[in-house]
Amino acid sequence: QVQLVQSGAEVKKPGSSVKVSCKASGGTLRNYAISWVRQAPGQGLEWVGGIIPMFGTSNYAQKFQGRVAIIADTSTSTYMELSSLRSDDTAVYYCARGRDHGYGVPIDYWGQGTQVTVSS
Amino acid sequence: QSVLTQPPSVSGAPGQRVSISCTGSSSNIGAGHDVHWYEKLPGTAPRLLIYSNTIRPSGVPDRFSGSKSGTSASLAITGLQAGDEAEYYCQSYDSRLSAMVFGGGTKLTVL
Repeated sequence: QVQLVQSGAEVKKPGSSVKVSCKASGGTLRNYAISWVRQAPGQGLEWVGGIIPMFGTSNYAQKFQGRVAIIADTSTSTYMELSSLRSDDTAVYYCARGRDHGYGVPIDYWGQGTQVTVSS
Repeated sequence: QSVLTQPPSVSGAPGQRVSISCTGSSSNIGAGHDVHWYEKLPGTAPRLLIYSNTIRPSGVPDRFSGSKSGTSASLAITGLQAGDEAEYYCQSYDSRLSAMVFGGGTKLTVL
């Protein structure tokens, strides 16, 4: 059974950057679309972006273009770095593995979520 | 503003049936992209309920069903139980945005 384990909670100052990592056990990330999805307090799920490691390509939601980077550094590990943090970036961030190498497929596996709090 | 539109809330009594709509456009649901549904409880990751519009993963009760027509999709829950109280999200792909898209979520209350 695939498990995705994320790094721990972070508290950051406005304007700084945060890096959240995600490591898979029991399976690979290489052949699948790996997405990062966030949920801000009282809000719904929001796709931040993703990467398909076998192609080496990242895609980002328009809203985050220019301040997010999603990297797959091994076949079982990925991370998301979000910069120029604002208070409205406060959210729980999830990594998630899709069923195939596309962003229209269902997500079968989710990480446990990482709380990122942006506060001065 | 979510690309896919869901009602913010629905409610029903135990044993009743409720339906949650997910309305998109010609660049996502209407373009033929599949719709998937998730259940989300506070403090936990989403759980896949329905994929490819109508298919239930193993372990999901047959009280849950999905449908899709034109630019919309729906999730139906029959025989409501107190344990069904959760937020429900639809997900698809948008060709114009080249992005995964979610609905805004619907909170289900069992009266």
